[in-house]
Amino acid sequence: ELKVEQNPLFLSMQEGKNYTIYCNYSTTSDRLYWYRQDPGKSLESLFVLLSNGAVKQEGRLMASLDTKARLSTLHITAAVHDLSATYFCAVEKGGGADGLTFGKGTHLIIQP
Amino acid sequence: DAGVIQSPRHEVTEMGQEVTLRCKPISGHNSLFWYRQTMMRGLELLIYFNNNVPIDDSGMPEDRFSAKMPNASFSTLKIQPSEPRDSAVYFCASSFSGKETQYFGPGTRLLVL
Repeated sequence: ELKVEQNPLFLSMQEGKNYTIYCNYSTTSDRLYWYRQDPGKSLESLFVLLSNGAVKQEGRLMASLDTKARLSTLHITAAVHDLSATYFCAVEKGGGADGLTFGKGTHLIIQP
Repeated sequence: DAGVIQSPRHEVTEMGQEVTLRCKPISGHNSLFWYRQTMMRGLELLIYFNNNVPIDDSGMPEDRFSAKMPNASFSTLKIQPSEPRDSAVYFCASSFSGKETQYFGPGTRLLVL
């Protein structure tokens, strides 16, 4: 059974600081997704990482994937309040067009 | 594009009643997914379809749940009879042959009293 673990599950940080969210998964997969969810809202796709060593950046967020270590990271640079949200990583069970297994999410609060 | 469309957005019903949730995927997408989100269990995959064919329904909790996709632009998730433990947000998502991300609909917030 595929398991996806995120840590931390809760993070409170100050604006301007840097931090990293970690996502470990239990079985081989070459596809990893990061989503953002605001309270009461749907999931917004941030990144899709499709191969070992993949790195993607959008604004203050950067995601990377190490398939050998079964680890992905989401790095936040110089955090701003607008980034406060819950961040989920998810892994596909199969090789494509497959359902996702989600981590429990990291609830991020960025304080002024 | 209108994105994934779900209806209703909110549903309040009494235990034992039948509930039908509806989803219209993004035009051109051929994979459709149903997920459920609760505080206790997080986000769970219930079932998904490729080219209108159910591929994996191992996440469907019990026989009370059923899903159909009669054509490429419409899917339903039915709960009969509903129970209070079915209360959750149900999301529908779609993608194109797994070549890109899954796009989520706004969700249906279900409360079973």
